[in-house]
Amino acid sequence: NAGVMQNPRHLVRRRGQEARLRCSPMKGHSHVYWYRQLPEEGLKFMVYLQKENIIDESGMPKERFSAEFPKEGPSILRIQQVVRGDSAAYFCASSPPGPANEKLFFGSGTQLSVL
Amino acid sequence: SQQGEEDPQALSIQEGENATMNCSYKTSINNLQWYRQNSGRGLVHLILIRSNEREKHSGRLRVTLDTSKKSSSLLITASRAADTASYFCATPYFGNEKLTFGTGTRLTIIP
Repeated sequence: NAGVMQNPRHLVRRRGQEARLRCSPMKGHSHVYWYRQLPEEGLKFMVYLQKENIIDESGMPKERFSAEFPKEGPSILRIQQVVRGDSAAYFCASSPPGPANEKLFFGSGTQLSVL
Repeated sequence: SQQGEEDPQALSIQEGENATMNCSYKTSINNLQWYRQNSGRGLVHLILIRSNEREKHSGRLRVTLDTSKKSSSLLITASRAADTASYFCATPYFGNEKLTFGTGTRLTIIP
């Protein structure tokens, strides 16, 4: 049973470009979370999705950032017109149906570097 | 906003010693979880303790929860070099599905 898969592992973008981060949750998992981590810091919640629905996006900047979890395919975190401050590690996590806050399974993250 | 805060921020001990990390949180919770993160990797769930539990064990891990003080501790006994990692506590934010994480304790085990 494959774990949470994130790709790419590393992503380099120039200022103003778009970054698309992908996350395939574990098989059978219906909840997906995205977190951002800056060096030497904890994880900051960004967004919580279920299939085709955004449940909580309170941690996501209002502009340039969007997330989706379509019926088919991976969850996508999209950052438009990236700036240097977007450089961070972005982690995706998933959990099975049921209480969503009891155990998260994390991917290995995407390290985004903005030049 | 940050719900949990770990203490100390960094801890170095000799292999074989016990390591204790603490977590304080702000609001009422129904559970508290501890996660480990190895350098450059995602987080791994270690243990969950519910609000009606005071202590829980899993292998070399022992977790306590004091809801009156809004605090928890993680004890790792007989530490090993492989325990070197950052450790985070996590709590649901105001009872909803969103898990919020503390700033972490960086544990270094000296061989």
